[in-house]
Amino acid sequence: DTGVSQDPRHKITKRGQNVTFRCDPISEHNRLYWYRQTLGQGPEFLTYFQNEAQLEKSRLLSDRFSAERPKGSFSTLEIQRTEQGDSAMYLCASSKGTGNNQPQHFGDGTRLSIL
Amino acid sequence: EDQVTQSPEALRLQEGESSSLNCSYTVSGLRGLFWYRQDPGKGPEFLFTLYSAGEEKEKERLKATLTKKESFLHITAPKPEDSATYLCAPSRTGANNLFFGTGTRLTVIP
Repeated sequence: DTGVSQDPRHKITKRGQNVTFRCDPISEHNRLYWYRQTLGQGPEFLTYFQNEAQLEKSRLLSDRFSAERPKGSFSTLEIQRTEQGDSAMYLCASSKGTGNNQPQHFGDGTRLSIL
Repeated sequence: EDQVTQSPEALRLQEGESSSLNCSYTVSGLRGLFWYRQDPGKGPEFLFTLYSAGEEKEKERLKATLTKKESFLHITAPKPEDSATYLCAPSRTGANNLFFGTGTRLTVIP
């Protein structure tokens, strides 16, 4: 069990640029989640995949955000035309899943800073 | 509307001084309540899942309990390495996501 891996760990970019983050879940986990966390807050749900299918999206996920999980393994989260308010920690989690009560295991996140 | 409130926001304890953290929740159809620990700059680390009122789980110096409206995380004789932010997250039946509180930031002083 190598854990959930996220890349990069830090990203600094100028407002208006596009950014892409990658998440590699725990290998046997078929469920994958993206969350966003700002300072002093708990993680907020963005989107959920079961295998390659994106089954749920939060209203926080504006049309500038897109997530994919093309082969049901790793996932990418892209933010287009970044804004100051996008500065946050982006967390990926995975779980194995025959039911919804399996714990989600988190990576250490990608910290995004918008200049 | 689902709500979760954690208290206190911050807690400073002397090493060995036991205490409890509170998580109050309003969730229609609770599927489970999850506790996580988060160190600065890291992702949340899973601690416990509780499913029904009256359930208790223990791990080293931590014990989590659940009622119909609250969950408590009891910390017995804490050590400095227990310093972290503790997050609770109820999950609703039929929902895939966790709904996190804002956490309790625990500092244990040697």
